Amino acid sequence: AQTVTQSQPEMSVQEAETVTLSCTYDTSESDYYLFWYKQPPSRQMILVIRQEAYKQQNATENRFSVNFQKAAKSFSLKISDSQLGDAAMYFCAYRSAGEYGNKLVFGAGTILRVKS
Amino acid sequence: DAMVIQNPRYQVTQFGKPVTLSCSQTLNHNVMYWYQQKSSQAPKLLFHYYDKDFNNEADTPDNFQSRRPNTSFCFLDIRSPGLGDAAMYLCATSTGTSGRMGNEQFFGPGTRLTVL
Repeated sequence: AQTVTQSQPEMSVQEAETVTLSCTYDTSESDYYLFWYKQPPSRQMILVIRQEAYKQQNATENRFSVNFQKAAKSFSLKISDSQLGDAAMYFCAYRSAGEYGNKLVFGAGTILRVKS
Repeated sequence: DAMVIQNPRYQVTQFGKPVTLSCSQTLNHNVMYWYQQKSSQAPKLLFHYYDKDFNNEADTPDNFQSRRPNTSFCFLDIRSPGLGDAAMYLCATSTGTSGRMGNEQFFGPGTRLTVL
């Protein structure tokens, strides 16, 4: 079974600075997807960024980018120019690309606090 | 805007009293998921529907049931809520369950269940 580990329960960043959230995963599959989801307090979870395992190029979405290291099974999220609105719980998630890849496996989450 | 709607946002029930949580979607997605998220933990998949096909996770307690009368609506029934069932319940949708597209899941805002 796949597992996702987020080793940082909580992180803080100064507004306008850069922060990196860590995620590692364990799988025997070669084809899969990785996601970062953001869950603000009392608000719904939204997708921040997605990475396909078969793509070597790291995904980017505006201020958000990932460092995907397939051999090391590492998938970190970098947030540049941090804003107060980035404060949230961030979940790393794994999904198999196979026929029965319907399930998202989540990490325990990292609380990101942004200081003004 | 197309979206995933959950009602109510907050639900209080008594120990052992059946409760139903509601989810509706305007995305016309084939798949609807129910997750349980306990405080500061990762969401845990309970079950999902692919159209009318119900798929239960192996470790989902029998106390939890679901109904999907049509494409737009899905209900979570907790037959005899215990104190340990107090949690946030998240509904999510996706276009499919597998394949190359990645099938992003769209989440609703959640229903926070309190059991007295």
